[in-house]
Amino acid sequence: EVQLLESGGGLVQPGGSLRLSCEASGFIFSNYAMNWVRQAPGKGLEWVSAVSGSGVSTFYADSVKGRFTVSRDTSKNTLFLQMSSLRAEDTAIYYCAKDRRLGELPEGFFDYWGRGTLVTVSS
Amino acid sequence: DIQMTQSPSTLSASVGDRVTITCRASQSISSWLAWYQQKPGKAPKLLIYKASNLESGVPSRFSGSGSGTEFTLTISGLQPDDFATYYCQQYQMSSWTFGQGTKVEI
Repeated sequence: EVQLLESGGGLVQPGGSLRLSCEASGFIFSNYAMNWVRQAPGKGLEWVSAVSGSGVSTFYADSVKGRFTVSRDTSKNTLFLQMSSLRAEDTAIYYCAKDRRLGELPEGFFDYWGRGTLVTVSS
Repeated sequence: DIQMTQSPSTLSASVGDRVTITCRASQSISSWLAWYQQKPGKAPKLLIYKASNLESGVPSRFSGSGSGTEFTLTISGLQPDDFATYYCQQYQMSSWTFGQGTKVEI
């Protein structure tokens, strides 16, 4: 059974940093691209970032480019999102999501999601 | 970025109804479209991909159609478990984008 478990969320001041983690199990982690998708309170879904199966290629939404860094540790089956220069508009539930397609590069849609971790940016 | 627009934003329906949600893309995305269902406090669930392909385990009352810029999600015979918010998402090109959501309520 595929499971994705996010952690690392919390309250952070504007301009601060936070690192999210997502522990994956139930599938061969390195065989799939992985993604972060966020949802502001009461709002819709926004794709944030993706990383290829090997971790070599990364992709970002314009809204986070230059501030967020996605990475993965395939030896630990863990996905990361390093967030810096955080803004109030980054407040959201952050979901880890598995790309559906078997392969190195992301296809861009998601068949398994974690339960999410809440990031609140406020002074 | 490709903009995705769903209509309606809210839909009132009853058990047994046939429900249709529309999603329009700001430019052609061929058939690179997915639909998700989200219930309050839960993560989204993949229903349909490549516009009309039903994800494994999803009831056959869900169907999708369309190509280019206009797409529809149809629920034939609404069940109590189907009251939720539905999102379309394009994956023609990064950055991948979602519609604003359609809430199906009683």
